[in-house]
Amino acid sequence: DAKTTQPPSMDCAEGRAANLPCNHSTISGNEYVYWYRQIHSQGPQYIIHGLKNNETNEMASLIITEDRKSSTLILPHATLRDTAVYYCIVRVRAGGETSGSRLTFGEGTQLTVNP
Amino acid sequence: DAEITQSPRHKITETGRQVTLACHQTWNHNNMFWYRQDLGHGLRLIHYSYGVQDTNKGEVSDGYSVSRSNTEDLPLTLESAASSQTSVYFCASSDRTGYEQYFGPGTRLTVT
Repeated sequence: DAKTTQPPSMDCAEGRAANLPCNHSTISGNEYVYWYRQIHSQGPQYIIHGLKNNETNEMASLIITEDRKSSTLILPHATLRDTAVYYCIVRVRAGGETSGSRLTFGEGTQLTVNP
Repeated sequence: DAEITQSPRHKITETGRQVTLACHQTWNHNNMFWYRQDLGHGLRLIHYSYGVQDTNKGEVSDGYSVSRSNTEDLPLTLESAASSQTSVYFCASSDRTGYEQYFGPGTRLTVT
């Protein structure tokens, strides 16, 4: 799985967009970008994933650069409840009983949303 | 609603004792995982299973074992607890696509 690099911490004002960057310069063509977050003392929560096209769901948007070497997770209107550690993970698509189902967590980015 | 549960939520044990942490999911997922998380760090994979009777070692499997006798459960056993195994343990499950892993609430284990 490709290695990812994220800033250790970021701050954001409540109501503003939070843009969390992730570098994955060694990503392979068959590797997806996944984002999870972990609110204090809870289990991680899946947010979104993508391959090369931008993706949006009810939680966030994922912007992947054309060369796929970096991506940005966007929380359009951050709230205090979005304060969490955000993990960017790159791995192959899983299918059946493959090693692609495993997740390798780095240190993530501690996002603090301030009132 | 389907869910994944862990028990106990908190456990204090002594060095050398055998400890088993339970994980139960009602998603009917094939894939199940155990991670540990130490203070201020990300999660590390201990063991995982892709189905009944299947188990595999993760990156930090020494001192731990798992068995998968049915789809719903993947208990994690610490054969002889050590202080270095004091940690928070998370169980997770996913379907065969593996796109989304669902995590349990965690078990905080203290080995004294």
